[in-house]
Amino acid sequence: GENVEQHPSTLSVQEGDSAVIKCTYSDSASNYFPWYKQELGKRPQLIIDIRSNVGEKKDQRIAVTLNKTAKHFSLHITETQPEDSAVYFCAASKGGNTPLVFGKGTRLSVIA
Amino acid sequence: SAVISQKPSRDICQRGTSLTIQCQVDSQVTMMFWYRQQPGQSLTLIATANQGSEATYESGFVIDKFPISRPNLTFSTLTVSNMSPEDSSIYLCSGTTGNTEAFFGQGTRLTVV
Repeated sequence: GENVEQHPSTLSVQEGDSAVIKCTYSDSASNYFPWYKQELGKRPQLIIDIRSNVGEKKDQRIAVTLNKTAKHFSLHITETQPEDSAVYFCAASKGGNTPLVFGKGTRLSVIA
Repeated sequence: SAVISQKPSRDICQRGTSLTIQCQVDSQVTMMFWYRQQPGQSLTLIATANQGSEATYESGFVIDKFPISRPNLTFSTLTVSNMSPEDSSIYLCSGTTGNTEAFFGQGTRLTVV
């Protein structure tokens, strides 16, 4: 089955700096890669996703890149703000009605 | 996206008892899933809740321990049976229409004493 590895497990950045979180996946049949943000005590919330037919997607300060050949994808957050502090999870699935397989998460701390 | 209402939000239960968690979606979804999230950990898939048929369980999870129902396209329940302290965790339901993002209920924080 699918295995998703996520690094780093913790990340501290100064406010205004960029943060990058990386994930690799094992199943070449996976074609959908979402990123979720989870604040303490809250449900995971989708922040951005990418499908395997594109290599990059941006939404304001957030971007995701995908390298299908290498089976890795990354989350980039620019101009970080204290409210970006949370746990971020990458995930992978075969799309459609298949379940998500999650990475272990990255705890991001943005220091003001 | 659709909204899932999950309840209870938290409970403290005696070992040996059972707890049923409910998820109600405000619109029809194709698939629903149940995840477990240990404190400070990632989400682990328990099972896929199939409408009108038996759930599909992941390795390490069995129907006798985690019976699941999904009587229609907007509702599902997960029961945690014969609980032990090791079952203390957060349980989350998730739904998707297949072509949209997967969205989550607010979670049930279960403590078994």
